[in-house]
Amino acid sequence: AQKVTQAQTEISVVEKEDVTLDCVYETRDTTYYLFWYKQPPSGELVFLIRRNSFDEQNEISGRYSWNFQKSTSSFNFTITASQVVDSAVYFCALSEAAVQGAQKLVFGQGTRLTINP
Amino acid sequence: KAGVTQTPRYLIKTRGQQVTLSCSPISGHRSVSWYQQTPGQGLQFLFEYFSETQRNKGNFPGRFSGRQFSNSRSEMNVSTLELGDSALYLCASSLVPGREAFFGQGTRLTVV
Repeated sequence: AQKVTQAQTEISVVEKEDVTLDCVYETRDTTYYLFWYKQPPSGELVFLIRRNSFDEQNEISGRYSWNFQKSTSSFNFTITASQVVDSAVYFCALSEAAVQGAQKLVFGQGTRLTINP
Repeated sequence: KAGVTQTPRYLIKTRGQQVTLSCSPISGHRSVSWYQQTPGQGLQFLFEYFSETQRNKGNFPGRFSGRQFSNSRSEMNVSTLELGDSALYLCASSLVPGREAFFGQGTRLTVV
């Protein structure tokens, strides 16, 4: 069975600090996809990144970076020099390979990140 | 390019009634999936449609149903509403299953 664990329920840091959000997943599939989403107070889930299981390269996009390690089944997300606008709930999600055209995202419980000025 | 559009944004219904929520995917996207978000259970998968066919279904009672039209627009229906159905219902679209899924702003349903 698939499972995503985000052990950090809430994190609060001061602006400009770096912060890492942890994500650990479980799956029996060898082919799968991992995602991160941001949910601001408006409610919409904003797509941040998708990574497939064969691509363990780390990714950097501006102040955001992601560290994917299959050996520890982790897909952690780091925000460098955090800003107040980064305050939101962040979700990590897992999707097993599309079988017969099906896709299902399994989400972690989310981490509420608060950046204080 | 317009994003995923969900209507209505807010809805208040009485226990026992039924409700229909609508989702218009991003133009060209053929896969639409639905999720329920509650404080207690978090984000849970309801179902997914691709080419007008339901390809995957979550662990929800038969009161929850959906469909997809030939233009990829989707609707979900909840019959005999219960208080526990109060939630944010989110729709996501992707080009094809497995690709990036983009979400709408959701429909917040309150059952009283």
